[in-house]
Amino acid sequence: GENVEQHPSTLSVQEGDSAVIKCTYSDSASNYFPWYKQELGKGPQLIIDIRSNVGEKKDQRIAVTLNKTAKHFSLHITETQPEDSAVYFCAPSTGTASKLTFGTGTRLQVTL
Amino acid sequence: DSGVTQTPKHLITATGQRVTLRCSPRSGDLSVYWYQQSLDQGLQFLIQYYNGEERAKGNILERFSAQQFPDLHSELNLSSLELGDSALYFCASSGGRGTPYNEQFFGPGTRLTVL
Repeated sequence: GENVEQHPSTLSVQEGDSAVIKCTYSDSASNYFPWYKQELGKGPQLIIDIRSNVGEKKDQRIAVTLNKTAKHFSLHITETQPEDSAVYFCAPSTGTASKLTFGTGTRLQVTL
Repeated sequence: DSGVTQTPKHLITATGQRVTLRCSPRSGDLSVYWYQQSLDQGLQFLIQYYNGEERAKGNILERFSAQQFPDLHSELNLSSLELGDSALYFCASSGGRGTPYNEQFFGPGTRLTVL
């Protein structure tokens, strides 16, 4: 099955700095690469995703980059704010309407 | 608000008991997924239903079962509960009209505590 690794496991940045989280996957058939944000006591929330025919996608302060050859994709958050503090998960999958395989999560702490 | 609802929010029960968790997907979504989140195993896929039919199975225990009803809501049944079944159980849905690829939207979860 898919092996998904996420680094780092914890990340502390000062408000206004950038944060980068990397996800490495093993299944070359993966073609959908989402990032989820989970706040305390809530379910995972989809924040950005990318498909295998695209190398980069940006949505305001959030961006995702994909390197299919190396089998990794990364989440980039610029101008971090305290409300960005949460646990972030990558969850690559293959095909439409198929299961997500979650990474181990990255706890991001944005300090004032 | 993702549009996915789950009940109950919290459930406390004893070992050996049986519980039922309920999920209503987003309007128009045909697929329902169940995931388990625990400290030692992380977020793991359990089972998927698509339009009433079982579509895929993950590491779901034989003591666990699920179904999706004609109105597309789903139930996850957990029986002969053990202490190790204590976890957060999430339902997600996808596959509505116009939903590209595999965007899955998660409910708020049910926190199960087995004493």
